[in-house]
Amino acid sequence: QEQLVQSGAEVKMPGSSLKVSCQASGGTFGTYGFSWLRQSPGQGLEWLGRIIPILQNSQGRSPTYAQRFQARVTISADDDASTVYMEMFSLIPEDTAVYYCARDFEYGDNAVAFDVWGQGSMVTVSS
Amino acid sequence: DTVLTQSPGTLSLSPGERATLSCRASQGLRSSHLAWYQQKPGQAPRLLIYAASRRATGIPDRFSGSRSGTDFTFTLTISRLEPEDFAVYFCQQYGHSPLYAFGQGTKLEIK
Repeated sequence: QEQLVQSGAEVKMPGSSLKVSCQASGGTFGTYGFSWLRQSPGQGLEWLGRIIPILQNSQGRSPTYAQRFQARVTISADDDASTVYMEMFSLIPEDTAVYYCARDFEYGDNAVAFDVWGQGSMVTVSS
Repeated sequence: DTVLTQSPGTLSLSPGERATLSCRASQGLRSSHLAWYQQKPGQAPRLLIYAASRRATGIPDRFSGSRSGTDFTFTLTISRLEPEDFAVYFCQQYGHSPLYAFGQGTKLEIK
């Protein structure tokens, strides 16, 4: 049973950057894509982006971002460490949220749901 | 952008009763592109249903998903509520802008 373990809570200053990690264990890391999502009282659940399985692209993993976050988010993976990362830049107080990594469950017709989730990382952006 | 609207916002029922939760899309959505999640306080969401009606691994058969006759409304039904079913439920779509989007949630609370 795959598990995803995320890095801990962080407090950030406005304008700074954030990097959250998500380490997978118990599964075949390279065959899965992984997404990052966040949840806040004001915005609900939001999908930030994903990184596709290494086996889908002979040139390596390739990220896709939600248009709203494309300029401020970078998703990467270290397959040797079975770890996915999400970096967010130019933080604002509205970025305060619980950030989740999740495994992509591709079930056909290019549709994706999220079947394994990390425990969440609370990020607070405040001066 | 496709917007998912869930109703009701809060549903108050007793254990043993039947729960019916709705998710309406602002534009047509393929059945294969709708999923449901359960979230309890302090926990991450849990996948219940994908492709509108297929149960995820380990999900009890009291949970079922369906689609109305139109392209726009999907339903999650819990046939006989157990105490552990009281939680918040989200629907999620794939395919329209934004690529993945969630409804605002329905809170299922004990009456």
